Amino acid sequence: EPEVTQTPSHQVTQMGQEVILRCVPISNHLYFYWYRQILGQKVEFLVSFYNNEISEKSEIFDDQFSVERPDGSNFTLKIRSTKLEDSAMYFCASRTGVGYEKLFFGSGTQLSVL
Amino acid sequence: DQQVKQNSPSLSVQEGRISILNCDYTNSMFDYFLWYKKYPAEGPTFLISISSIKDKNEDGRFTVFLNKSAKHLSLHIVPSQPGDSAVYFCAATRSISNFGNEKLTFGTGTRLTIIP
Repeated sequence: EPEVTQTPSHQVTQMGQEVILRCVPISNHLYFYWYRQILGQKVEFLVSFYNNEISEKSEIFDDQFSVERPDGSNFTLKIRSTKLEDSAMYFCASRTGVGYEKLFFGSGTQLSVL
Repeated sequence: DQQVKQNSPSLSVQEGRISILNCDYTNSMFDYFLWYKKYPAEGPTFLISISSIKDKNEDGRFTVFLNKSAKHLSLHIVPSQPGDSAVYFCAATRSISNFGNEKLTFGTGTRLTIIP
């Protein structure tokens, strides 16, 4: 079965450093998302991306965050200057555009900001 | 602003018995609800969904019930199996955006443990 791939699985960084989280969505999918889950809390929406632009973003997704689909296959989340509170599991997700049951999640990148 | 709530962080059920996971929502604009299952070190996987035009949807051992007036839904698993041990997330959205890109709003999850 096709799957969403995320790399790395774990990322440790120093506060103030830039990180890039990478995702390869399923090839025929059209809608892309980043969600995150802080330990013990709910899965939170960060941003949705369609047709090479951001469709919607949450208030968490401030100027320190950006997304890009540089080459038609990768989908990246960049955090320019990480803060301690950015420590979380970050999930990439994608779907064809037909129904939410078709939303596929990657296995996540655990980001630890020290 | 917890629009989707799962008040039980954990639940233990004997193998073979029924597991009932509950979810409440506050946003009356939500009219499409989903359950996702998550194993450790994996992303959430879709389990079952229900539209607000229905009050029940069944798929094998899994049934979701929706009580719109109470803004409450529940997931029933029967019979429960050891492989069902996972974290279950309730999620909600607006079906008008089902063909768009409306975000999902998740609950905090319930960790289900099936005791052999």
